[in-house]
Amino acid sequence: DIQMTQSPSTLSASVGDRVTITCRASQSISSWLAWYQQKPGKAPKLLIYKASTLESGVPSRFSGSGSGTEFTLTISSLQPDDSATYYCQQYNTYLTFGGGTKVEIK
Amino acid sequence: EVQLVESGGGLVEPGGSLRLSCAASGFTFSNAWMSWVRQAPGKGLEWVGRIKSKTDGGTTDYAAPVKGRFTISRDDSTNTLYLQMDSLKTEDTAVYYCSPHYCTSTTCYNYFEYWGQGTLVTVSS
Repeated sequence: DIQMTQSPSTLSASVGDRVTITCRASQSISSWLAWYQQKPGKAPKLLIYKASTLESGVPSRFSGSGSGTEFTLTISSLQPDDSATYYCQQYNTYLTFGGGTKVEIK
Repeated sequence: EVQLVESGGGLVEPGGSLRLSCAASGFTFSNAWMSWVRQAPGKGLEWVGRIKSKTDGGTTDYAAPVKGRFTISRDDSTNTLYLQMDSLKTEDTAVYYCSPHYCTSTTCYNYFEYWGQGTLVTVSS
């Protein structure tokens, strides 16, 4: 099974900050990686697929990069509405989610 | 507009059974691969299992923790997905979401553009 490890598990940043979340796969997954945003009590929302393709309607301050085993999700200028938990998910072999990164606004 | 409505959750004792349903609309259900994903209280997301479209064989795959206990099925005539859960354990307590896989005209991928609101299953004595 492919394991996905996210870091950090929690981060606190100020409005306007650049925020980066890292996701590492236990083996190469090429670019078969998605990112989701989840707010409390809500279903996840797809942000990015194929490592760097922005889902329609997602603000351009979100971006994804990486391939192989190391990936990043970047929020270029953190907004209050971005307070949420973010999950990576590989879909190279079946699918596996990372443990999540909770983003808090200072 | 894609809509996914899960139902059937509730309280069940360890060792018991429960069947969840997911009513789908707004897309061609019969062509869709469908998955169940769960989330234990305060925890992360965990894939439960998948059923492919009948065109692609209608086969099912399951995550290791539920294999042999859970069964996914579909009724394309009513656009409904099911999750039969048997021999339930306390660690199966979670919100269960259904979701169609993202599919192009030629390929389906194992990620999700749309999600239901989820249904809570609590396994406790």
